[in-house]
Amino acid sequence: KAGVTQTPRYLIKTRGQQVTLSCSPISGHRSVSWYQQTPGQGLQFLFEYFSETQRNKGNFPGRFSGRQFSNSRSEMNVSTLELGDSALYLCASSLVQPDTQYFGPGTRLTVL
Amino acid sequence: KQEVTQIPAALSVPEGENLVLNCSFTDSAIYNLQWFRQDPGKGLTSLLLIQSSQREQTSGRLNASLDKSSGRSTLYIAASQPGDSATYLCAVNVGYSTLTFGKGTMLLVSP
Repeated sequence: KAGVTQTPRYLIKTRGQQVTLSCSPISGHRSVSWYQQTPGQGLQFLFEYFSETQRNKGNFPGRFSGRQFSNSRSEMNVSTLELGDSALYLCASSLVQPDTQYFGPGTRLTVL
Repeated sequence: KQEVTQIPAALSVPEGENLVLNCSFTDSAIYNLQWFRQDPGKGLTSLLLIQSSQREQTSGRLNASLDKSSGRSTLYIAASQPGDSATYLCAVNVGYSTLTFGKGTMLLVSP
């Protein structure tokens, strides 16, 4: 069974631009969560989706948004990029609640 | 607010040693606790999941324990190998697949 996939793997953007990251969960998994990882703050929860509904959101500004589609694939969007948004963005999926979460390889975003 | 602390932040051991990584959390209202490993620049690999009602879980050379009442978990690695070198992360599930992570323990096992 294929694992969690994330595209693209690497992105370079400039301040003020917008970016969309994509995550495909393991087949059959309906819960998708997003995390931001930076050297200073470590791993921080962004938001979680289940059956196309956002159930929980972390303490991030409104520039960070996401959505989930009927096939459980998820996207997150960051608008008006800032230098501090440079990070590894990780997506995780799980089958049921609460259960083991499986992470993708991440998208490395660099904002110049 | 849940906070997770991992001690030590870094650890260097010779191959073959048994070692213990520590994790503590401030709020015992958790659904489960999960240990992960992360190789440089890579995603997270799940190692062990302990449900809140369990005391320990084992997988190969790894054993994780959970004492929910005291807010502590340990990851025991037996007979360490150079391939075990990575950052080990502890995370507690506080609901809705929301994980709160510690900052990790960076482990280096030298041949």
